[in-house]
Amino acid sequence: GAVVSQHPSWVICKSGTSVKIECRSLDFQATTMFWYRQFPKQSLMLMATSNEGSKATYEQGVEKDKFLINHASLTLSTLTVTSAHPEDSSFYICSASTLAGGPPNLNTGELFFGEGSRLTVL
Amino acid sequence: GEDVEQSLFLSVREGDSSVINCTYTDSSSTYLYWYKQEPGAGLQLLTYIFSNMDMKQDQRLTVLLNKKDKHLSLRIADTQTGDSAIYFCAEKRRGGGNKLTFGTGTQLKVEL
Repeated sequence: GAVVSQHPSWVICKSGTSVKIECRSLDFQATTMFWYRQFPKQSLMLMATSNEGSKATYEQGVEKDKFLINHASLTLSTLTVTSAHPEDSSFYICSASTLAGGPPNLNTGELFFGEGSRLTVL
Repeated sequence: GEDVEQSLFLSVREGDSSVINCTYTDSSSTYLYWYKQEPGAGLQLLTYIFSNMDMKQDQRLTVLLNKKDKHLSLRIADTQTGDSAIYFCAEKRRGGGNKLTFGTGTQLKVEL
């Protein structure tokens, strides 16, 4: 149980185009999803927290108009990188948690992570 | 991640024990976690410890927490080649909601 799936796993796009990455919780309802960015050989940087049905909360320094996050249902959150440029190339990872009882357990902060999506902008 | 520090790299021989260390600065941590990341993949939760505990053991994994020194460690007994990965410690802070602050990551290489 507690599977989080991301799609696509790898995308290459031209500079100036927009790319959408999906994050799905397959066997639980994710009331909260988190989006991270990871540069090579570096740690995860939290970009935003997404609660179902409300606007995402962005971390300082993250452009909300550049990285559009939508969490329209309890099983799906999307991250759209708008007008992508080479400096947006990175590994994007989502994670999900839920308020419901049982794992993943919000009270412990246990998060389940997607497999990640590698974006390469040419 | 600059508030949570880890060594960058650790190399051990197969069958030995590995000890990965993590230091943090925020005293309001409620839970601390260890995650494993294999190349090109997401993060897998290995174990976690509540901040009022000082030790937790789970099969080959032993977590030690020294809250006074703000030091967390993960010991992997009988390290195998499949344990080669990057290991991240992470902390959940009081008042921070469910946000986790990740360490810089330690790459563990297990050699034959």
